[in-house]
Amino acid sequence: EVQLLESGGGLMQPGGSLRLSCAASGFIFSNYAMSWVRQAPGKGLEWVSDISGSGDSTYYADSVEGRFTISRDNSKNTLDLQMNSLRAEDTAVYYCAKQRSSNGGSLNYWGHGTLVTVSS
Amino acid sequence: DIQMTQSPSSLSASVGDRVTITCRASQGISKYLAWYQQKPGKVPKLLIYAASTLQSGVPSRFSGSGSGTDFTLTISSLQPEDVATYYCQKYNTAPFTFGPGTKVDIK
Repeated sequence: EVQLLESGGGLMQPGGSLRLSCAASGFIFSNYAMSWVRQAPGKGLEWVSDISGSGDSTYYADSVEGRFTISRDNSKNTLDLQMNSLRAEDTAVYYCAKQRSSNGGSLNYWGHGTLVTVSS
Repeated sequence: DIQMTQSPSSLSASVGDRVTITCRASQGISKYLAWYQQKPGKVPKLLIYAASTLQSGVPSRFSGSGSGTDFTLTISSLQPEDVATYYCQKYNTAPFTFGPGTKVDIK
């Protein structure tokens, strides 16, 4: 059974840093690209970042480019999101999601999310 | 970047009604489009990928069509458990943008 468990959320002041983690199990982690998707309170889904199965390729939304860094450790089956220079508009539930195929694409498994609140 | 729009933004329909949601891409994305369902307070769920392929376990009343720039999600007979917000997402190239969502409820 595929499981994705996010951790690391919390309350941070503007300008601060936070590192989110996602522990994956139930599939061959290195075979699949992974994504971070966020959802601000009462708002829609926003794609944040993707990383290839090998970790060699990464992609970011313009809203987080230069502030967030996605990474993965295929030996530990973990996905991370380092978030720096946090802003109030980064407040959201952050979901870790697995892509459906080894070639990437749609997201067929999602974690339950971790809440990040940026406020002074 | 390619922009994704959805219409309507919300709709109210009766149980048993046929419901259609439209997603439009500002440039062609072939069939690299997925649809997700998010029920209130729940995690998003993949319904359809490659524009028209039903994800395993999804009821057959859901269907998708389209390619290029115009796509539709159809619920052939709306059920009470289909109350949710539906999102499209492009995944041909980054950024893998979601549409703004369509909220569906029961009249």
